[in-house]
Amino acid sequence: SQQGEEDPQALSIQEGENATMNCSYKTSINNLQWYRQNSGRGLVHLILIRSNEREKHSGRLRVTLDTSKKSSSLLITASRAADTASYFCATDAGRNTGNQFYFGTGTSLTVIP
Amino acid sequence: KAGVTQTPRYLIKTRGQQVTLSCSPISGHRSVSWYQQTPGQGLQFLFEYFSETQRNKGNFPGRFSGRQFSNSRSEMNVSTLELGDSALYLCASSLSPGDEKLFFGSGTQLSVL
Repeated sequence: SQQGEEDPQALSIQEGENATMNCSYKTSINNLQWYRQNSGRGLVHLILIRSNEREKHSGRLRVTLDTSKKSSSLLITASRAADTASYFCATDAGRNTGNQFYFGTGTSLTVIP
Repeated sequence: KAGVTQTPRYLIKTRGQQVTLSCSPISGHRSVSWYQQTPGQGLQFLFEYFSETQRNKGNFPGRFSGRQFSNSRSEMNVSTLELGDSALYLCASSLSPGDEKLFFGSGTQLSVL
């Protein structure tokens, strides 16, 4: 399977704390994306980082990418109860594969008010 | 601008039946992708359509098929349903293949009894 893995599978923190989740993937990539999914709903795009980038920020989100280790991390700072959701990394499937992505197994984040 | 619309939201079928799911992309988006999400296998790519043509297909049996209409709306069909087809089916749209950022609908929850 080309599917990536995320770690931890589940994470529970207090509101205001930072949350870090990690993603490992298997093949060379052009880019890596992070998505959020609220229970039983569709995914929402959070951030994209390209293979030639090492770090990217968007609001309270910070993403890092280490292509030598085939891994990425997502940091959510000053978490809020509304951040409670599952988070998935997604990697492209290679050249000329359009919008075919490999999604990780997901990290379930619970932020306790 | 309206988001990606999937109908129906919930569906219950019995083994051996067939089912058709519908997806209306965001206005102006011409690429539609379908993903299957299950607790055991996670998110898996089914296929992608652009300009009424299937561009990519994931590793699913021929019972899974789809099509796209001239207005970019897409349908997917599953014939001879099996218990293992129970899943959340997600549709995602983007401006074009390789646009990278996907906009997901809320999904159709299919239960096969």
